[in-house]
Amino acid sequence: ETGVTQTPRHLVMGMTNKKSLKCEQHLGHNAMYWYKQSAKKPLELMFVYNFKEQTENNSVPSRFSPECPNSSHLFLHLHTLQPEDSALYLCASSQAGPNGEKLFFGSGTQLSVL
Amino acid sequence: DQQVKQNSPSLSVQEGRISILNCDYTNSMFDYFLWYKKYPAEGPTFLISISSIKDKNEDGRFTVFLNKSAKHLSLHIVPSQPGDSAVYFCAVGFSGNTPLVFGKGTRLSVIA
Repeated sequence: ETGVTQTPRHLVMGMTNKKSLKCEQHLGHNAMYWYKQSAKKPLELMFVYNFKEQTENNSVPSRFSPECPNSSHLFLHLHTLQPEDSALYLCASSQAGPNGEKLFFGSGTQLSVL
Repeated sequence: DQQVKQNSPSLSVQEGRISILNCDYTNSMFDYFLWYKKYPAEGPTFLISISSIKDKNEDGRFTVFLNKSAKHLSLHIVPSQPGDSAVYFCAVGFSGNTPLVFGKGTRLSVIA
């Protein structure tokens, strides 16, 4: 148990659906992240939130819409996705400090877009 | 262009032997280096890290070596155990700053 909980674990959706991924961290961290892991690719950073403020958007298409209502919760709203968006979506949190960032990941949501 | 490269997508090692996983990075300004381990259906978990002021960090069976001049990082696991079978991600970054940049991962299989 890493202290970062993601739901749902699996999601199948059509291209016209709207769904949301949820992430909650119980570690008291001040930063939260969304990463995407596709087959045979590095983990790709999507969004970064520090103290509820978005500090990085890594050129992510607008069909992915993040929301961070507080430092413990992070959502990723999905709409009109494409089949190539099928991937494992990982949430992570961290507490910045002088020794660098150590990320704590959730178990991920395996997304399939049909 | 990839900033972090793990050129071996997979590695098989006999139980009890040493596993060596390699990672190369392009930006000499990176000063914080980490290894993460990922089992199927789970998120990556932190394994070991090293800062640029050191060239070696050891934690039990796991040792990370840093060669700054070569911009090369390696993870040694000895002795390897079947439970070490997983995907290992190299990650690099800047101390006290985000975000980490990850490699593609190397799938390690430890054969009993």
